[in-house]
Amino acid sequence: DGGITQSPKYLFRKEGQNVTLSCEQNLNHDAMYWYRQDPGQGLRLIYYSQIVNDFQKGDIAEGYSVSREKKESFPLTVTSAQKNPTAFYLCASSADRDRVKGYTFGSGTRLTVV
Amino acid sequence: GENVEQHPSTLSVQEGDSAVIKCTYSDSASNYFPWYKQELGKGPQLIIDIRSNVGEKKDQRIAVTLNKTAKHFSLHITETQPEDSAVYFCAASPLGGYQKVTFGTGTKLQVIP
Repeated sequence: DGGITQSPKYLFRKEGQNVTLSCEQNLNHDAMYWYRQDPGQGLRLIYYSQIVNDFQKGDIAEGYSVSREKKESFPLTVTSAQKNPTAFYLCASSADRDRVKGYTFGSGTRLTVV
Repeated sequence: GENVEQHPSTLSVQEGDSAVIKCTYSDSASNYFPWYKQELGKGPQLIIDIRSNVGEKKDQRIAVTLNKTAKHFSLHITETQPEDSAVYFCAASPLGGYQKVTFGTGTKLQVIP
């Protein structure tokens, strides 16, 4: 079955560490997105990519970095510059730029700073 | 930019009753309005969407209505069941090319058996 796989499901980070969240899709979707979800808030866009080797900052990109070397993969690195990284991170993809079928989301990674 | 407000933040209904969640948006350029359902520990799943050229869309027990003049849209769930319990998000965006999708803050729906 096609879908989006995020790993790991749970991740613990020590202060000052960089961590990378994995996102892989086998839907042949062009566009991929990273969102952050905090309790009581809507989804906030971190980064998005419409095509391989190209990505754009979203609303809260500070302290995060991404790469898009392959169509299927869009990893997110949470750097030590992100002061409040504890959150639920969601990766999504869309079949085309017009999103006629909406987003397909992964099942998320819960990151906790310890 | 676009601002989407969603109400209520929590909603409890008895099984079999109807549930209504309302959203308002600010940008008249928005013409695509999806609704997502998020179960505990999972990613959101698209359940229904509506485009500005229609005023209502139904899919079995769920329906969405859109009033472009008033800039609001609503999700209606009839004959609610315990498995409808989840967090529901509305969203708004223009269609065409890449356009930012703005999400509401979510409604936690609890269906009481």
